[in-house]
Amino acid sequence: AQKITQTQPGMFVQEKEAVTLDCTYDTSDQSYGLFWYKQPSSGEMIFLIYQGSYDEQNATEGRYSLNFQKARKSANLVISASQLGDSAMYFCAIWGAGSYQLTFGKGTKLSVIP
Amino acid sequence: NAGVTQTPKFQVLKTGQSMTLQCAQDMNHEYMSWYRQDPGMGLRLIHYSVGAGITDQGEVPNGYNVSRSTTEDFPLRLLSAAPSQTSVYFCASTRGLAGGPTDTQYFGPGTRLTVL
Repeated sequence: AQKITQTQPGMFVQEKEAVTLDCTYDTSDQSYGLFWYKQPSSGEMIFLIYQGSYDEQNATEGRYSLNFQKARKSANLVISASQLGDSAMYFCAIWGAGSYQLTFGKGTKLSVIP
Repeated sequence: NAGVTQTPKFQVLKTGQSMTLQCAQDMNHEYMSWYRQDPGMGLRLIHYSVGAGITDQGEVPNGYNVSRSTTEDFPLRLLSAAPSQTSVYFCASTRGLAGGPTDTQYFGPGTRLTVL
């Protein structure tokens, strides 16, 4: 079984500031992947960033980086220099090699304030 | 390259009616799946398929049927709609099982279903 916990239902951040969205996970698989998706108010699911369980370096994609702490089972998303367009729901998800499914957390609603 | 497409975008049903949500992908992906999204619940897996002719249940399969006759298509059938099936439905695909932990899942735009 695998599980994702996102403890922040909602967050506010000032424009141009950095923000960290928390994600902790649980899995019995040795090989797994962690994903972050963004869902704007229009509803589509947009892939942001991926981290593999064996990756030694933290993943980065433009303004997004993933703070991966394997021993703590955490995979926090860091957004640098927040923009108004970053206002959205953010979902953390895990895919375990033996599970054949992507398990999502309940999401964090991020609001960027001008 | 259209990616993952879903039809319809919106649908209203009456309790007891049946319908099929269509999903297609043009990326030759082996793995396809259906999720439902309810407020405050995140996305939950309904059914998935690891290839043509092979399907399996996810976390919330009751009330839904699937089939996979081709690599491209993965329809979701509601046999007798219930108000509890009011939700937003997403179809997704990814390259393959071997790359499961490393491959991105691509999502369709979603279908908003209301059952009265």
